[in-house]
Amino acid sequence: GENVEQHPSTLSVQEGDSAVIKCTYSDSASNYFPWYKQELGKRPQLIIDIRSNVGEKKDQRIAVTLNKTAKHFSLHITETQPEDSAVYFCASGGTGRRALTFGSGTRLQVQP
Amino acid sequence: GAVVSQHPSRVICKSGTSVKIECRSLDFQATTMFWYRQFPKQSLMLMATSNEGSKATYEQGVEKDKFLINHASLTLSTLTVTSAHPEDSSFYICSASLAATDTQYFGPGTRLTVL
Repeated sequence: GENVEQHPSTLSVQEGDSAVIKCTYSDSASNYFPWYKQELGKRPQLIIDIRSNVGEKKDQRIAVTLNKTAKHFSLHITETQPEDSAVYFCASGGTGRRALTFGSGTRLQVQP
Repeated sequence: GAVVSQHPSRVICKSGTSVKIECRSLDFQATTMFWYRQFPKQSLMLMATSNEGSKATYEQGVEKDKFLINHASLTLSTLTVTSAHPEDSSFYICSASLAATDTQYFGPGTRLTVL
């Protein structure tokens, strides 16, 4: 089955700095890669996703890059703010009937 | 946007009792719903895939007779934890998939505490 590895497990940055979280996956058939933000005790919220026919996608301060050859994708957050502090999960999946496989999560702390 | 609700949000029960958790897609039809379990400070682990009108597909290591899943309509899936024990205490989250896309939307989760 699919295996998703995520690094780092914790990340502390100063407000205004950039944060990068990286994930690798094993199943070459995976073609959908979402990123979720989860605050303590709450549901995961989709923040951005990318499909395998695209190499990069950006939404304001958030961007995701995908390298299908190397089977890795990354989340980039620029100009971080304290409210960005949360746990971020990457995931991989495929068609609508396939479940997502999640990475282990990254706890991001943005210091004011 | 797509909204998924889950009920109850929190339940405390005695060991040996059964608990039913409901997952509803409020503004779209979900042919597929997923059930995850999340232990403190850990990732989401898929338990089963629930398909409307057919039997659920369980992940390896998940007992289908203990975690009963029913997906009787396009907007409702239920997870029943039978004969719950303290080790079943966890955060249970469902998600629903839009048929035309891969996007999954999560319910708010149910925190189960078994005494």
